[in-house]
Amino acid sequence: QLQLQESGPGLVKPSETLSLTCTVSGTSISSNSYCWGWIRQSPGKGLEWIGTISYSGITYYNPSLKGRVTISVDTSKNQFSLKLSSVSAADTAVYYCARSPIGARYYFEYWGQGTLVTVSS
Amino acid sequence: DIQMTQSPSSLSASVGDRVTITCRASQGISQGITTYLAWFQQKPGKAPKSLIYAASSLQSGVPSKFSGNGSGTDFTLTISNLQPEDFATYYCQQYNSSPPTFGGGTKVEIK
Repeated sequence: QLQLQESGPGLVKPSETLSLTCTVSGTSISSNSYCWGWIRQSPGKGLEWIGTISYSGITYYNPSLKGRVTISVDTSKNQFSLKLSSVSAADTAVYYCARSPIGARYYFEYWGQGTLVTVSS
Repeated sequence: DIQMTQSPSSLSASVGDRVTITCRASQGISQGITTYLAWFQQKPGKAPKSLIYAASSLQSGVPSKFSGNGSGTDFTLTISNLQPEDFATYYCQQYNSSPPTFGGGTKVEIK
């Protein structure tokens, strides 16, 4: 059974880097059938796509995040990660990881349960 | 970016009712015969759950009481025979082009 589980600090200071990991079970993250993405949800901005990484490591990012995003994959641990630099209060949100089929890399068919990240000093 | 506009933002309905939610894209989201539109259900404190993709295809395990329709820029999600577990917030999302974007949501509440 497919499971995605986000993990990482729940509190990040302004100007620092937010780092989250998504651990995948029930399927191999290196399968050529899927892409892996991050989406966040805040009361003010609703659901917002952050970025996606393909099984081969090609990345796609939301231009609105202005180069602050890095997504990477660790196939040895069956995990993928998100780094968001120079955070501010506007980055406070619930962060979700999700799986997409390779033919529709921006369709999020399965989601993790989400993790709340608060940006505050 | 493609803007996705849902209406209504909320609605009240009774158990057993049939409800329809509308989603409009700011530009076409089809390529050939495929329309890149998905619908999600979200309950409080939970992650969104995929219901429909390609505008009208049911995600595996989703009951047939959920149906999607539409083409071009106008789409609908219909829920038949509303049950207590269906009261939730519903979102549409386009995945035709980057960045993928979501509608603002429609909250379905118990009357």
